Amino acid sequence: SQKIEQNSEALNIQEGKTATLTCNYTNYSPAYLQWYRQDPGRGPVFLLLIRENEKEKRKERLKVTFDTTLKQSLFHITASQPADSATYLCALDDSWGKLQFGAGTQVVVTP
Amino acid sequence: GAVVSQHPSWVICKSGTSVKIECRSLDFQATTMFWYRQFPKQSLMLMATSNEGSKATYEQGVEKDKFLINHASLTLSTLTVTSAHPEDSSFYICSAKDSLSSYNSPLHFGNGTRLTVT
Repeated sequence: SQKIEQNSEALNIQEGKTATLTCNYTNYSPAYLQWYRQDPGRGPVFLLLIRENEKEKRKERLKVTFDTTLKQSLFHITASQPADSATYLCALDDSWGKLQFGAGTQVVVTP
Repeated sequence: GAVVSQHPSWVICKSGTSVKIECRSLDFQATTMFWYRQFPKQSLMLMATSNEGSKATYEQGVEKDKFLINHASLTLSTLTVTSAHPEDSSFYICSAKDSLSSYNSPLHFGNGTRLTVT
């Protein structure tokens, strides 16, 4: 069956450190992968997109990698701040062009 | 730019009644909108794809007669939960893709509607 797995345990991290989140997928062959941020009671907000032929993408303090051999994407928040506390969702396109989401990983950045 | 407005943000209704949720793209046109449902600490589950001027496409297991979708214009899609029951209580989120965007463009999400059926 198709699965998108993100660590269900919250990631607690100290301000200034780098948070690294993992997204693993099974039985998908995505052409691209996206990362979103979701705050409690709000809709997701798009952060980054990485295509299958790209190894790495950066945007300010965010970095995403995409390894189609390992079927994995890593999402890094460098120099983390309390304002980065949220749930981060990975999403990828399925065979029918629809976006499928992982359950997300909650990040808690403490001062 | 790329704002999606979803209304209401929360609603409480009695079992057996119907509830309508609106999703509007404010500064772009959206031929296609998507309706998701989210349970606490779970992923967004795609319920249906709403296509302007045509019938919605529902995901497997989603009752089309219970979750009525109308996409009458390029900026408005509505989801009506008919004869709501307590098990329909959930967080419903809509999203839209700019009609002018490419296939891999990001989705723009509304802020969701918390539905509680008593």
